[in-house]
Amino acid sequence: GQNIDQPTEMTATEGAIVQINCTYQTSGFNGLFWYQQHAGEAPTFLSYNVLDGLEEKGRFSSFLSRSKGYSYLLLKELQMKDSASYLCAVRDSNYQLIWGAGTKLIIKP
Amino acid sequence: GAVVSQHPSWVICKSGTSVKIECRSLDFQATTMFWYRQFPKQSLMLMATSNEGSKATYEQGVEKDKFLINHASLTLSTLTVTSAHPEDSSFYICSADRGLAGSDTQYFGPGTRLTVL
Repeated sequence: GQNIDQPTEMTATEGAIVQINCTYQTSGFNGLFWYQQHAGEAPTFLSYNVLDGLEEKGRFSSFLSRSKGYSYLLLKELQMKDSASYLCAVRDSNYQLIWGAGTKLIIKP
Repeated sequence: GAVVSQHPSWVICKSGTSVKIECRSLDFQATTMFWYRQFPKQSLMLMATSNEGSKATYEQGVEKDKFLINHASLTLSTLTVTSAHPEDSSFYICSADRGLAGSDTQYFGPGTRLTVL
């Protein structure tokens, strides 16, 4: 079956750095996405990786290793507004998005 | 950027009534639209995939007679929850796909919170 694993919850301090890991096993691979979802709101797109390596976008970076079925989202200079759930999703061979359960990130002052 | 709207944003209804939720892509034509459901503290669950002019494809365990999907045009899809019951209370989110490769993928609507009394 298809499976995406990410930690349920993480806590970090304002101004610090946090890394959220995601491992996946899917039928085919056509890209990995990270979304941010605040409580009661729809997800918003953060990043996309289809080739191995690091993609940097401001305070957020995302890394992919296809051979290991592994990705991480790196958040730097954490702000209180970064408190949210972070969803990892993989697009499979049918171009369907398979979603992880999300990681709830709690930022403390 | 691409914009997807949903209406209504929240609805409260009595058990046994039907509720219609609209999903519109405002500035692009969506080849495919998706309907998701999300229960509190749980992940997104894909309910169905719909293409304009054809029948929706439902995920396993989703009752097609209960969750009616009509994809009337390239910019509008509707989800009707028929004979709603309290267990149908959830956050329903639609997304629209521009049909492009790469990162230009699904754009989500703001969601509709359904509460069935």
